Amino acid sequence: AQTVTQSQPEMSVQEAETVTLSCTYDTSESDYYLFWYKQPPSRQMILVIRQEAYKQQNATENRFSVNFQKAAKSFSLKISDSQLGDAAMYFCAYRSVNNNDMRFGAGTRLTVKP
Amino acid sequence: DSGVTQTPKHLITATGQRVTLRCSPRSGDLSVYWYQQSLDQGLQFLIQYYNGEERAKGNILERFSAQQFPDLHSELNLSSLELGDSALYFCASSPDEGADGYTFGSGTRLTVV
Repeated sequence: AQTVTQSQPEMSVQEAETVTLSCTYDTSESDYYLFWYKQPPSRQMILVIRQEAYKQQNATENRFSVNFQKAAKSFSLKISDSQLGDAAMYFCAYRSVNNNDMRFGAGTRLTVKP
Repeated sequence: DSGVTQTPKHLITATGQRVTLRCSPRSGDLSVYWYQQSLDQGLQFLIQYYNGEERAKGNILERFSAQQFPDLHSELNLSSLELGDSALYFCASSPDEGADGYTFGSGTRLTVV
C-alpha cells in the first residue's frame, strides 16, 4: 500500500522568506497524482497545488511551487515570500490512478513569524 | 465557502449512541468522499461514493455506514459510538473520480462523551 511521509512535524519561517516542506512517498506505480493541501486554523482543507506523475515539469501556483523528484519519490513544497496567512498545517497527499483512496501524510505545521 | 456543505458543524453525544452526518457536494460533483481526522491518526479515508454507488472503501469500521442519495447528498452513519470515535469528519467532493483533487467541506466535529 502506498504511504506518504512528512518528516517535519513543525516548521517556521520569517515573513517574506522562503520555506520548503518535505514529503516522500512509497509506491510501485508509475502513474499517480500528488497534492499539497493547506489546513488553516479554520480546519478547512484547501487544495494548494497538484502534480501529475507523468509530467516532468514542476507545478507552480503563484508563490507555491513543487520540486517533484519521481525517482527519489520526493514531492516537496516551496513557499516563496511567506505571508502571515500561510500559517497552517500542510498535508501532502498521494492518489493512485487505479483507485480512489487519496492517502495523506501526517502533516507539517507551518508557523510564520512577523 | 468551498461549495461542500456539512451539517452539523459540531455534535456532542454519549457513548453507545448513533449519529448521522450529512454532506451536500459541490454543485455538479458526482463523487463524495468521507474522511476521519483524529489527533493521533491524521486523515483517514473512510469511503467514496460515485453517482450513488459505493466506489472505494478505506478503513471504515463495521459500526459506520454511508450512502449517497439520488440528489447526490451523502450521509455517514456512526453507531455504537465509542470515545475513540471523537474526531473531525470531513466530506469532500469531486466532479469525477478525483484526479484533479477534492474539494473539502468544513467538517463535523464529533465529540463522544
